[in-house]
Amino acid sequence: QKEVEQNSGPLSVPEGAIASLNCTYSDRVSQSFFWYRQYSGKSPELIMSIYSNGDKEDGRFTAQLNKASQYVSLLIRDSQPSDSATYLCAVNDSNYQLIWGAGTKLIIKP
Amino acid sequence: GAVVSQHPSRVICKSGTSVKIECRSLDFQATTMFWYRQFPKQSLMLMATSNEGSKATYEQGVEKDKFLINHASLTLSTLTVTSAHPEDSSFYICSASHTGINQPQHFGDGTRLSIL
Repeated sequence: QKEVEQNSGPLSVPEGAIASLNCTYSDRVSQSFFWYRQYSGKSPELIMSIYSNGDKEDGRFTAQLNKASQYVSLLIRDSQPSDSATYLCAVNDSNYQLIWGAGTKLIIKP
Repeated sequence: GAVVSQHPSRVICKSGTSVKIECRSLDFQATTMFWYRQFPKQSLMLMATSNEGSKATYEQGVEKDKFLINHASLTLSTLTVTSAHPEDSSFYICSASHTGINQPQHFGDGTRLSIL
């Protein structure tokens, strides 16, 4: 069974620090990887997509992909209280269906 | 951009009513749209994948006669919850993706359905 695993948290990070969110996946042939942010009571919002090994930076966000380890992470620099949300990792499987992680709840403490 | 509009945002109705939810891709054509359901403090649950011009593919355990999906054009998919009951109360969210492999899904704002 294809799986995407995330620590459910909550992960508590002080304001201004780096928040590190991790995700592992089981399908070795996966080619595309996405991070979504979901505020309570709202729908998910795409933050980052990454397709090749290494780092991809967009503002305060950096996605990191290691296909050999089947591991993808999201770093949030200079964390703000407004970053408090649930972060969902999603991975395309060999049929191009998105497999979703259960999400990590992030709390940024002022 | 990739804007997905979902309507209505909230529905409150009596048990036995059928409810129709619309999902539109506003600035792109979406060959495939997806319908999700999310209960409070739980994960997204994919209900069905909607392909333009063909029948939807339903996930295991989702009743296709209960949740009718129509994807009549490249910009519009509808979900009809037929004869809704209180246990159907949930947050329903649609998403759409551009044509092509490895495309992310873009979500509508969701519909909060409350059946009394």
